Amino acid sequence: AQSVTQPDIHITVSEGASLELRCNYSYGATPYLFWYVQSPGQGLQLLLKYFSGDTLVQGIKGFEAEFKRSQSSFNLRKPSVHWSDAAEYFCAVGGYSGGYQKVTFGTGTKLQVIP
Amino acid sequence: KAGVTQTPRYLIKTRGQQVTLSCSPISGHRSVSWYQQTPGQGLQFLFEYFSETQRNKGNFPGRFSGRQFSNSRSEMNVSTLELGDSALYLCASSMDWEETQYFGPGTRLLVL
Repeated sequence: AQSVTQPDIHITVSEGASLELRCNYSYGATPYLFWYVQSPGQGLQLLLKYFSGDTLVQGIKGFEAEFKRSQSSFNLRKPSVHWSDAAEYFCAVGGYSGGYQKVTFGTGTKLQVIP
Repeated sequence: KAGVTQTPRYLIKTRGQQVTLSCSPISGHRSVSWYQQTPGQGLQFLFEYFSETQRNKGNFPGRFSGRQFSNSRSEMNVSTLELGDSALYLCASSMDWEETQYFGPGTRLLVL
């Protein structure tokens, strides 16, 4: 069965500092990988996705993620965090399970940005 | 272009009742997926419909069902409600499974 681990429940960074959110997945084949952001009072928004090809994926809002098969990781990065980035971030893995395609989400990482 | 809309936005039901939630996808999108979000279980995939057929499904009991109409609008039904069904139910639409999903604001269901 596929699974996702986001080891950091809560992260605090200073505005302007760099950010890395960790994500590890478990899946037997090459997975589909996603990062979503959920802001208070707002819906879920896709930041970026990896299906195949270049392992460094660029997303919206200046985010990027790198797929590392050897480490089963898909960490999200941003070089300089803005106060508006404060939100909850979810990593997800998609793939076949029991004959169906399904998406499994991590438990999320809450990002706090301090001045 | 209008986004994904979900109705109703809030709902209160009692145990044993049933509920139907509605999702109108972005025009032209044929894939509609449903998710449940709770503080305890997090975000969980319920099922996906494409061209009026359930194409993919997660690990939810048969009390959770859905359907999709010819205009791609989708409904989700939960029968015999339990307290644990209290959650935010999110709907997402896309051109197809591999394409970017756009989420609606969700329906918050409270079961008393």
